[in-house]
Amino acid sequence: DTAVSQTPKYLVTQMGNDKSIKCEQNLGHDTMYWYKQDSKKFLKIMFSYNNKELIINETVPNRFSPKSPDKAHLNLHINSLELGDSAVYFCASSQRQATDTQYFGPGTRLTVL
Amino acid sequence: GENVEQHPSTLSVQEGDSAVIKCTYSDSASNYFPWYKQELGKRPQLIIDIRSNVGEKKDQRIAVTLNKTAKHFSLHITETQPEDSAVYFCAARYTGTASKLTFGTGTRLQVTL
Repeated sequence: DTAVSQTPKYLVTQMGNDKSIKCEQNLGHDTMYWYKQDSKKFLKIMFSYNNKELIINETVPNRFSPKSPDKAHLNLHINSLELGDSAVYFCASSQRQATDTQYFGPGTRLTVL
Repeated sequence: GENVEQHPSTLSVQEGDSAVIKCTYSDSASNYFPWYKQELGKRPQLIIDIRSNVGEKKDQRIAVTLNKTAKHFSLHITETQPEDSAVYFCAARYTGTASKLTFGTGTRLQVTL
């Protein structure tokens, strides 16, 4: 069974479009995260939710809007996509906050043309 | 906030040799230090972690050491094998209001035959 899953795996779109990435975890964890990994492999946290409540919001443009409909899901919506948004986006979850092992999803490779 | 530096950025060793990757962190209040391995095209996965009340931890061929005074920690891989080839990330947990992991910039390890 897949612990943390993301859809889609690949996303190719034009500049200016709006797109969403979905994430689900079946581990019963309380905390979920979105990370961005750029072409240089830098892994940077974007958002974190604990029990559906936003607890971390790094300096991310407000074109990025996370939504957590319940504890097991954390989606990421991106408006007005720009070339610089091209990256791999990873969802992750942990039992509680960051001292517990974080389990990553398979990643979504976003390419903005 | 926390800042994590990681060296070297690339490391090439011969099969059977040892590999050492070093990280330094800035916030003396950080108390949790995981190491993640990311194979090409795959998700990051936890391989070992250490908490601030411990100086060393071993798991078969991998070990992590922590020097709280100097604020640095290291990953040691002995008897390297080709399947150890991957990008390795260190991370540190900042214990501020919203605890989060800050990742190092990654080390690409290549184990050659």
